Amino acid sequence: NAGVMQNPRHLVRRRGQEARLRCSPMKGHSHVYWYRQLPEEGLKFMVYLQKENIIDESGMPKERFSAEFPKEGPSILRIQQVVRGDSAAYFCASSPGTLSLSGANVLTFGAGSRLTVL
Amino acid sequence: AQSVTQLDSQVPVFEEAPVELRCNYSSSVSVYLFWYVQYPNQGLQLLLKYLSGSTLVESINGFEAEFNKSQTSFHLRKPSVHISDTAEYFCAVSNDYKLSFGAGTTVTVRA
Repeated sequence: NAGVMQNPRHLVRRRGQEARLRCSPMKGHSHVYWYRQLPEEGLKFMVYLQKENIIDESGMPKERFSAEFPKEGPSILRIQQVVRGDSAAYFCASSPGTLSLSGANVLTFGAGSRLTVL
Repeated sequence: AQSVTQLDSQVPVFEEAPVELRCNYSSSVSVYLFWYVQYPNQGLQLLLKYLSGSTLVESINGFEAEFNKSQTSFHLRKPSVHISDTAEYFCAVSNDYKLSFGAGTTVTVRA
């Protein structure tokens, strides 16, 4: 059980370039969540996806950011025309279902992708 | 809407001394409470959680947290810390799929 796999672990981009971050959920997990951790801050929810569906993108910036979770392959967080303020750690988490009263579904986090924008 | 306040951003502590990390939350509905730990250059790991039942929850490595509904708190404690407990600790609250995190408390354990 490989856990939640994120790559790349570190990514350096110049202003104006595109950044693509990938997340492979744990085996058997069909729900993926992206969080962003800005320097000196806690994690902030960005988006929640199920296979081929965006369930909640209330935490996504309105422009330049997009996420997908195709039927096959990893979830992708895409940031177009990056700016210095996008420098952060981006964490992916997965669960087999929505967090529920039973507590059986608990998020498993990946090790994160650290984006640095020069 | 929910929010989490971690009252201490930095907590230096000597090895074998006790430590308490404070966490207060606000929410208009019943919530579940979590503590996560992040070791240097690693992802978040669940330390412990409160969902229901006993208000005192424990982790396998000696940490415990107590849910206090009247004070809306979920403070984390360990009676005797080790050097290996040096990490950042995040309190989080959720009532569905979305976790709201505090800003984190960095614990530095010194010999």
